[in-house]
Amino acid sequence: NAGVTQTPKFRVLKTGQSMTLLCAQDMNHEYMYWYRQDPGMGLRLIHYSVGEGTTAKGEVPDGYNVSRLKKQNFLLGLESAAPSQTSVYFCASRTPGQGGTQYFGPGTRLLVL
Amino acid sequence: KQEVTQIPAALSVPEGENLVLNCSFTDSAIYNLQWFRQDPGKGLTSLLLIQSSQREQTSGRLNASLDKSSGRSTLYIAASQPGDSATYLCAVMGEGKLTFGQGTILTVHP
Repeated sequence: NAGVTQTPKFRVLKTGQSMTLLCAQDMNHEYMYWYRQDPGMGLRLIHYSVGEGTTAKGEVPDGYNVSRLKKQNFLLGLESAAPSQTSVYFCASRTPGQGGTQYFGPGTRLLVL
Repeated sequence: KQEVTQIPAALSVPEGENLVLNCSFTDSAIYNLQWFRQDPGKGLTSLLLIQSSQREQTSGRLNASLDKSSGRSTLYIAASQPGDSATYLCAVMGEGKLTFGQGTILTVHP
């Protein structure tokens, strides 16, 4: 049982390049989330999904797209990276029910030059 | 919009001291409150989760309380150890989404 895994662990991009971050969970959770963590800003929700084939915007969705084609995977895409997207990205999944517990992946460090 | 505030932003204590970390939130319509630990360069580890109907949860040397009506939670760490040094994050769950505080950086020195 690997929990929540993220790929890659670290990436450097040039402004304007695109990339996809992959999140996978093996706990059969319906809910999955993408956050970004920046110094002094805490964790902020980018997008989330309440089940396969569904996605919704969070607090800071601009510049990102997501897809949930399979229940176990949640992809975060950057179509045209900007230096403001330099951050640490965390994925999480949640146990059922409104009072569920969130489990986090180890994070992806992204540097956009 | 839910806002979560953690006080203090940083705390440095000698080993063995008991300490309290504070978390406050503006909207009391929450489903649960969760305390996390984050080590430098690492992900988040869940420490304690308190459902909205509960008043406290305990795990080892950690005790978290919740007063939903006043919008406050505290994390009590007994007999602190250098290994407790980390950032502690408080987060509240509302309508399927977590809102995080900015964290308290704890340093326990020998």
